[in-house]
Amino acid sequence: DQQVKQNSPSLSVQEGRISILNCDYTNSMFDYFLWYKKYPAEGPTFLISISSIKDKNEDGRFTVFLNKSAKHLSLHIVPSQPGDSAVYFCAASGGRTGTASKLTFGTGTRLQVTL
Amino acid sequence: DTGVSQDPRHKITKRGQNVTFRCDPISEHNRLYWYRQTLGQGPEFLTYFQNEAQLEKSRLLSDRFSAERPKGSFSTLEIQRTEQGDSAMYLCASSLKLGGIGGYTFGSGTRLTVV
Repeated sequence: DQQVKQNSPSLSVQEGRISILNCDYTNSMFDYFLWYKKYPAEGPTFLISISSIKDKNEDGRFTVFLNKSAKHLSLHIVPSQPGDSAVYFCAASGGRTGTASKLTFGTGTRLQVTL
Repeated sequence: DTGVSQDPRHKITKRGQNVTFRCDPISEHNRLYWYRQTLGQGPEFLTYFQNEAQLEKSRLLSDRFSAERPKGSFSTLEIQRTEQGDSAMYLCASSLKLGGIGGYTFGSGTRLTVV
C-alpha cells in the first residue's frame, strides 16, 4: 500500500522556467511533509519541509504548497537551473505511530533541467 | 564534522553469506535510522534508534536482519544468510529531532549486491 505517491516518474523543464513536482498521500494522520533531492551515488539531501498547520513554505527558489483537503502537496522551483537535475522524493511523517520518528517516501520524480 | 559516514560503499556477496554494514552518525545526533532503497523505489524505513535503544522496527526487517547501536554512537546492520532479494542500497541517517529543523541527514549509503 503506497501511502505517498509521486505519479510522474520524470519531468523535463527548460532552464529558467518553473518546475512543479507533485505528491499525493493517503494517510490523513501525516502531519509533516518533506522534499528530498538525490543525486546519483549520494544519499538524499533535505530540501524543504512543511507542517500541516501551514499551506505554504518558501525557501529561496523552492516553495512547497500543501492542500490538506486534497491530500496533495507540490514543490515549485523557480527559476529552474541545470544543477537542479536530480531525483526528488516526497516524504511524510506522523501516521499511526504518532512519534514522527519515521518517514514514508514516495517513489521519486526525476527532474531534468535542459539548457 | 563530515556528516553521516557509511562503510563500505559497495559490497558484493554470495547468497547465503552474512554481511555487516557500519554507520557513523553526526556526533551530536541522538537519533539514528536505517532505510533500504531498491531500484525505482523510494527509501523504505527499516529501524530507528534513540541513543542506544532500538525503538521501532519495520516488518521489512525479517529475523535475518539485526541492528545495534552500542553506547548510542555508531550503528551496525547485519544481514544473515543473504538472499538475492536483499540486493539494495542501505541508507543510514541521523537527526536531533524530526520536524521543524529539516529532517534527517543521510549518508551516501552501502550498495549491496547478492550474487
